[in-house]
Amino acid sequence: EAQVTQNPRYLITVTGKKLTVTCSQNMNHEYMSWYRQDPGLGLRQIYYSMNVEVTDKGDVPEGYKVSRKEKRNFPLILESPSPNQTSLYFCASSRGGTVYNEQFFGPGTRLTVL
Amino acid sequence: DQQVKQNSPSLSVQEGRISILNCDYTNSMFDYFLWYKKYPAEGPTFLISISSIKDKNEDGRFTVFLNKSAKHLSLHIVPSQPGDSAVYFCAASARQGAQKLVFGQGTRLTINP
Repeated sequence: EAQVTQNPRYLITVTGKKLTVTCSQNMNHEYMSWYRQDPGLGLRQIYYSMNVEVTDKGDVPEGYKVSRKEKRNFPLILESPSPNQTSLYFCASSRGGTVYNEQFFGPGTRLTVL
Repeated sequence: DQQVKQNSPSLSVQEGRISILNCDYTNSMFDYFLWYKKYPAEGPTFLISISSIKDKNEDGRFTVFLNKSAKHLSLHIVPSQPGDSAVYFCAASARQGAQKLVFGQGTRLTINP
């Protein structure tokens, strides 16, 4: 089954404790992206990657890091989480290098930073 | 600065009637627009898209209209069904930034039996 998976689905952590949210897709997609969803703000793009070893900032990259060492994986790293990073996070992937193609989203990761 | 705005947080429509969801944008560089649908506890799923060279795109019960002069697009669902109850997000992209997607705040659509 074609899908985007994220782990963990739920996470409660404390300020400053490094964490990684994993994202994996099995569709051989070139493009992957991370979004956060907050009430009243919709989804905002954090980082995206057009292919292996190619990443770039979205609209809200501060406090986040990403890497794309393999085509299927695109982990999101929070080196020192803060309460304002409490949010619902989505990973997405699509074929090709643009958002013009349909993006497939993962089920989301709800993160709470205390 | 919200470049894509959905000014109605919620909308309630009777089953069988037309649902109209609206979206406004401010960036004149946007040339591709998409609608995504989201159920609770799931990720968004793609619904329909439109390029700025068109003013209408239709897919079954879903039609998207684009008014470039007004920087406005709308999604029409006819007839509305209970399974259409979800949050709908409008999104936009610019050719020169086609790796970036800007979303609106979302509109929660409820279809009443």
